[in-house]
Amino acid sequence: QQQVKQSPQSLIVQKGGISIINCAYENTAFDYFPWYQQFPGKGPALLIAIRPDVSEKKEGRFTISFNKSAKQFSLHIMDSQPGDSATYFCAASGPQGGSEKLVFGKGTKLTVNP
Amino acid sequence: SQTIHQWPATLVQPVGSPLSLECTVEGTSNPNLYWYRQAAGRGLQLLFYSVGIGQISSEVPQNLSASRPQDRQFILSSKKLLLSDSGFYLCAWSPGQLNYGYTFGSGTRLTVV
Repeated sequence: QQQVKQSPQSLIVQKGGISIINCAYENTAFDYFPWYQQFPGKGPALLIAIRPDVSEKKEGRFTISFNKSAKQFSLHIMDSQPGDSATYFCAASGPQGGSEKLVFGKGTKLTVNP
Repeated sequence: SQTIHQWPATLVQPVGSPLSLECTVEGTSNPNLYWYRQAAGRGLQLLFYSVGIGQISSEVPQNLSASRPQDRQFILSSKKLLLSDSGFYLCAWSPGQLNYGYTFGSGTRLTVV
């Protein structure tokens, strides 16, 4: 119920290509779905987030697609660049007895080849 | 603006030695605070979280403990480190009140030798 399943574990994309990372959740009480980007040796940084009242959110080259009925959401990186090479984590949260804990996926290591 | 400070950046400690990692947040009050551990190439494991001074919830039974002596200070401790305690430790904060925007610190790389 509390898990967020993320795939693929690793992804290699050519420069200019589209990177797609998928996540699925079970808990229908989740109402906040962020994506974090982590570079080696650094803390994760919030990249983009969506709430379930919209099906898509776009910020620059990054888009979250959200399918509430399927309980799935995905990150699309358009025109992928070598600088996008990082580990990406999806997460989900919702009212959990008054706490606000994010449940993270296991991460996807993205490599964008030049 | 809010900032989160975490130190030290790297630490090498012998097995059996104590540990103290500190995290402080500036520019906000009554934040929710979190300690995560990340093993090499792995995901984020929530260790402890706190919704207020002296209020600590443990997610995973282990060799570590956490304390929150002040509103914006969160400390991760161990009395005797194990080899398995090695990892990348991350502190994070969120505004709470069902606002889930987490901000992570820069992390501490702990190597137990």
